[in-house]
Amino acid sequence: SQQGEEDPQALSIQEGENATMNCSYKTSINNLQWYRQNSGRGLVHLILIRSNEREKHSGRLRVTLDTSKKSSSLLITASRAADTASYFCATARGGSARQLTFGSGTQLTVLP
Amino acid sequence: EAGVAQSPRYKIIEKRQSVAFWCNPISGHATLYWYQQILGQGPKLLIQFQNNGVVDDSQLPKDRFSAERLKGVDSTLKIQPAKLEDSAVYLCASRSDREGEKLFFGSGTQLSVL
Repeated sequence: SQQGEEDPQALSIQEGENATMNCSYKTSINNLQWYRQNSGRGLVHLILIRSNEREKHSGRLRVTLDTSKKSSSLLITASRAADTASYFCATARGGSARQLTFGSGTQLTVLP
Repeated sequence: EAGVAQSPRYKIIEKRQSVAFWCNPISGHATLYWYQQILGQGPKLLIQFQNNGVVDDSQLPKDRFSAERLKGVDSTLKIQPAKLEDSAVYLCASRSDREGEKLFFGSGTQLSVL
């Protein structure tokens, strides 16, 4: 079963606007990661935030984590047409297995 | 650095036929994963290897799916016999302890079962 659920399922914005995607999960985690998937391609890792962190930045990406609410958000600032893709959150629980459980994804379309 | 290689890129078969997918992870990555991604959904873990041993295959439909990772490098995922609901993209991913928690994915094999 999916651990994370993204919201919204689809998002369409104009180039230059900010895009915010949310992820909710059910069980305690060790870390939460965001991945991007372009159409017909594999997933590419964007950013990782650990359970003891609240916010993290990487370039135009900002991720927040609220473990009390079991939720995370990904903000993409100043979006570009090239940001058009599906975005997935993935949670890693503790232990040695180091498995990721993916959510259902948000399809982001950035209009030029 | 070469990425995760998968082949074939596409495969079309009829139900009840068999099919095999191949994955070559990034050199030195001890952990290898096979994920199934049905259209419109996120990837679902099928099996995880650490070197040539199985760490978790609890979500692998073992009556029809099998996977192996001989010599702890390349891996093969097989489906026999295929069902219509097996139509999906099969993604291989690898991870190295030295590079932390992130996974590196191949481009996947898109399987259509008719």
